[in-house]
Amino acid sequence: KAGVTQTPRYLIKTRGQQVTLSCSPISGHRSVSWYQQTPGQGLQFLFEYFSETQRNKGNFPGRFSGRQFSNSRSEMNVSTLELGDSALYLCASASGSQETQYFGPGTRLLVL
Amino acid sequence: DAKTTQPPSMDCAEGRAANLPCNHSTISGNEYVYWYRQIHSQGPQYIIHGLKNNETNEMASLIITEDRKSSTLILPHATLRDTAVYYCIVRVANRDDKIIFGKGTRLHILP
Repeated sequence: KAGVTQTPRYLIKTRGQQVTLSCSPISGHRSVSWYQQTPGQGLQFLFEYFSETQRNKGNFPGRFSGRQFSNSRSEMNVSTLELGDSALYLCASASGSQETQYFGPGTRLLVL
Repeated sequence: DAKTTQPPSMDCAEGRAANLPCNHSTISGNEYVYWYRQIHSQGPQYIIHGLKNNETNEMASLIITEDRKSSTLILPHATLRDTAVYYCIVRVANRDDKIIFGKGTRLHILP
């Protein structure tokens, strides 16, 4: 089976812009979770989607949003980018909400 | 906050067994212990998980103490490619599941 794929792999944006990141889960997986990783804060949970519904949410401002489509693919959107949003954004998929998560390679976002 | 405590770093000689400890003294009965590792700038890689019994797969062994308050991940024959940050995670097995990563252990394999 193909693994979790994330696009784009690298992205450069400027402050105030918005960005949309995409995640395609492993075939058959219905749960997609998003994480932000920075050197200072480590890996932090953003949100989880299961069957197009947000099941869980971390402590991030409303500028961070996501959605999941009927084919389980997920997108994450960050509006009004700030310098501190520069990070590696990771997506993980699982067959069910309580199952083992498998991570994608991540999208590295740089905000200038 | 993460529910696990791990040493920030460890060294291990190549070819030897790497034993990575993790404390999870507040673990609940329905929580699993998961281990992931992250090689520089890549996504975390699932290694192994367990509830009560010791587990073994092609990558590693997981030893969980009888009181479940700590565990040890064992890489039986460490190689340079095992250099990574290893995360021990306690995962609540209910509807409001949320994975919280701690700082992990940076494992250095010495040639």
